[in-house]
Amino acid sequence: DGGITQSPKYLFRKEGQNVTLSCEQNLNHDAMYWYRQDPGQGLRLIYYSQIVNDFQKGDIAEGYSVSREKKESFPLTVTSAQKNPTAFYLCASSFRERYEQYFGPGTRLTVT
Amino acid sequence: AQSVTQPDIHITVSEGASLELRCNYSYGATPYLFWYVQSPGQGLQLLLKYFSGDTLVQGIKGFEAEFKRSQSSFNLRKPSVHWSDAAEYFCAVDAASGSARQLTFGSGTQLTVLP
Repeated sequence: DGGITQSPKYLFRKEGQNVTLSCEQNLNHDAMYWYRQDPGQGLRLIYYSQIVNDFQKGDIAEGYSVSREKKESFPLTVTSAQKNPTAFYLCASSFRERYEQYFGPGTRLTVT
Repeated sequence: AQSVTQPDIHITVSEGASLELRCNYSYGATPYLFWYVQSPGQGLQLLLKYFSGDTLVQGIKGFEAEFKRSQSSFNLRKPSVHWSDAAEYFCAVDAASGSARQLTFGSGTQLTVLP
């Protein structure tokens, strides 16, 4: 079955540690996206990538980093510079010429 | 800049009743509009989309939405709600920037269904 996988589903880290969230898709989509979701808020775009080896900052990129070495993979690193990292993180993908995005199941990150 | 407003934070309906969730957008060009649904702790599922043409669009799970340009609205409707429809619903607008596609989301409407 084609789809988007995110791992792990729950992640716990101590303050000051970097942590990497995984996102893999086998839909042959060109574009991939990372969103952050906080209670009572919509989704906010962190980073997106239209093609391999290229990515752009979204609205809230500070304290995050990404890489796109393979079409199928778009890992997100939450660095210690992110002031408030506890949140639900969603990965999405789409065909470059299409508009609708498809979402993974999400990773809930808790930093204490 | 584009924006999406979902005026209702929380809506409660009885099972079998009709449903309408409101969405208003602010965007200079012709918008591409979406409704997504999210169950607790899960990702988002696409319900329906509007790109052009017929302003009444049909989606999955018996949902439909109507695009009204004069009102800058894209309200989601369902004639008879089922208990399994309880979830959070997000309206989104595509904000293309050159060749890069981006979605701007509303803050969501939480739907509770009473038995």
